[in-house]
Amino acid sequence: DQQVKQNSPSLSVQEGRISILNCDYTNSMFDYFLWYKKYPAEGPTFLISISSIKDKNEDGRFTVFLNKSAKHLSLHIVPSQPGDSAVYFCAASNYNQGGKLIFGQGTELSVKP
Amino acid sequence: GVTQSPTHLIKTRGQQVTLRCSSQSGHNTVSWYQQALGQGPQFIFQYYREEENGRGNFPPRFSGLQFPNDSSELNVNALELDDSALYLCASSSGLAGGHINNEQFFGPGTRLTVL
Repeated sequence: DQQVKQNSPSLSVQEGRISILNCDYTNSMFDYFLWYKKYPAEGPTFLISISSIKDKNEDGRFTVFLNKSAKHLSLHIVPSQPGDSAVYFCAASNYNQGGKLIFGQGTELSVKP
Repeated sequence: GVTQSPTHLIKTRGQQVTLRCSSQSGHNTVSWYQQALGQGPQFIFQYYREEENGRGNFPPRFSGLQFPNDSSELNVNALELDDSALYLCASSSGLAGGHINNEQFFGPGTRLTVL
């Protein structure tokens, strides 16, 4: 039972353009969402998060949008840079249950120069 | 940051393994995840102030310990071929009232191969 789904295994974008990574979830009890970036041979690195009381959170080139009615979130990267090439995971949790993060399968982003 | 040892490990089916993690300074919560090839990390369990604080869908042969010095262990008994995976440790800071900070900081992982 995949509670968090990233349906696109890969995405290729030109440098300078927008990258949009999508994530869907099924559990309406999730109230906190995170995006992690992972390079080969490294652990996931926290990127940005959003609480369910918000519909948007922005940090520099990264913006996460949350649509609770659709149980959908997306990560926008503008402008995309070659160094952004990595695997991106979305994760969800119930804030009061703390540490149990439920991850999607990941989307591999490739930013072409 | 979070460190893990060893980086790679090869075991045979039926053996036991211990993986180690050193949390980020000041963090009192550690979580362990298993990441199979092509999948996202799956939550194994979490320890908060040396007590288990939640467990995922893993059998009892997966066990853990957290020590007062910010280090922790993941032990797996009776290894099976499907246990081959990347094992990730993540630390975070617990907040007052027991609400654990969800922003977990991951180590580089231990790649376990079971033959």
